[in-house]
Amino acid sequence: ILNVEQSPQSLHVQEGDSTNFTCSFPSSNFYALHWYRWETAKSPEALFVMTLNGDEKKKGRISATLNTKEGYSYLYIKGSQPEDSATYLCAYRTGGFKTIFGAGTRLFVKA
Amino acid sequence: NAGVTQTPEFQVLKTGQSMTLQCAQDMNHEYMSWYRQDPGMGLRLIHYSVGAGITDQGEVPNGYNVSRSTTEDFPLRLLSAAPSQTSVYFCASSFQQGRINSPLHFGNGTRLTVT
Repeated sequence: ILNVEQSPQSLHVQEGDSTNFTCSFPSSNFYALHWYRWETAKSPEALFVMTLNGDEKKKGRISATLNTKEGYSYLYIKGSQPEDSATYLCAYRTGGFKTIFGAGTRLFVKA
Repeated sequence: NAGVTQTPEFQVLKTGQSMTLQCAQDMNHEYMSWYRQDPGMGLRLIHYSVGAGITDQGEVPNGYNVSRSTTEDFPLRLLSAAPSQTSVYFCASSFQQGRINSPLHFGNGTRLTVT
């Protein structure tokens, strides 16, 4: 059984706060780690695909890091805005391309 | 490109009925998959396919069948619907061969209620 854990389950922050979430995954048979942003009533949209140990990716105020040896990834949001409110999902992809999602971190940003 | 198209958008079934959820993509993606989304449980993988003629089970395959006769289509069949299958179903696809950085592209979901 492939276990992908995300923490925290939910997070309430004020506009302007910086925040981060954690994704932990099996360190064996690793192929890629994905981060997705999922707004209510929409479909998940990809933020990052990370494949190499030590990878760092950045898109605007959002960035992510990857440690495949210990099996974790962090997603950071700098200066949170109300429009950042969404569920952030990580997904672990095996060499067989099976892609398993964590339960997500639900972010609420208050103006 | 239309991307990933799922039909129907909404469906109500009675216990024991059968139906097929349709998924089609026009991006020439080798990999296609079905997930169900339930409150507090994120997305759980039902079945996936790495190419035409090849399918495999995910985390929660019981009660569902799939086939992949073409690259474009990946239908999900419920043979005898049960209330536990009430959920939102998402189809997702991606490139596979030689494209390690390919993310999943999702359809808009099918909201299924089984009474």
